[in-house]
Amino acid sequence: QVQLVESGGGVVQPGRSLRLSCAASGFTFSTYDIHWVRQAPGKGLEWVAIIWYDGSKKYYADSVKGRFSISGDNSKNTVYLQMNSLKVDDTAVYYCARGGSVTTYRDAFDIWGQGTMVTVSS
Amino acid sequence: SSELTQDPAVSVALGQTVRITCQGDCLRSSYASWYQQKAGRAPVLVIYAKHNRPSGIPYRFSGSSSGNKASLTITGAQAEDEADYYCISRDSSGDRYVFGTGTKVTVL
Repeated sequence: QVQLVESGGGVVQPGRSLRLSCAASGFTFSTYDIHWVRQAPGKGLEWVAIIWYDGSKKYYADSVKGRFSISGDNSKNTVYLQMNSLKVDDTAVYYCARGGSVTTYRDAFDIWGQGTMVTVSS
Repeated sequence: SSELTQDPAVSVALGQTVRITCQGDCLRSSYASWYQQKAGRAPVLVIYAKHNRPSGIPYRFSGSSSGNKASLTITGAQAEDEADYYCISRDSSGDRYVFGTGTKVTVL
């Protein structure tokens, strides 16, 4: 079935790096935008980053710009979120979500993964 | 920077109607979508492009917008509608997105 599965979360010290993965199945991966969204414990949702369906555009929230990098590997149907210079404030559940495609509404995140927890702590 | 403001919490009697609002300048140029999130679960899309319902979302969920405000209405709220609700829109740059602050809906 159509699904996204995140992995790579864990506990990391401030200033260190972590790479999250989002594996897609059940749909043509290379035709959809993929987003990362996070949620700090007890807080609301925060949009983090997008990679366009064709990989041509990548955009980031101001809070992570310059530290996080989104990339995709069509051969593995996987999107990555490389997180560098991690801060305590980056502690959150990280979700990947499917956005739109060239033939569907671009701004609807219709499929979500189950999330992966990232804890930044010394 | 773009911001979307929602009331922190609303309550509704079982079977009654509740409206959740989302306000921000970026709504003047971009449609809002709405997500339902139950405790410990991933968000679920309930309304996109202002008023469209994805397959499987009950008819009691509807969306509208005017000016800098978007609304999600639940007509005939059910116990299972108790959740947090978030709006989202593109921000003023048009390339990035911003979530609303979220509204906790309690069904009495």
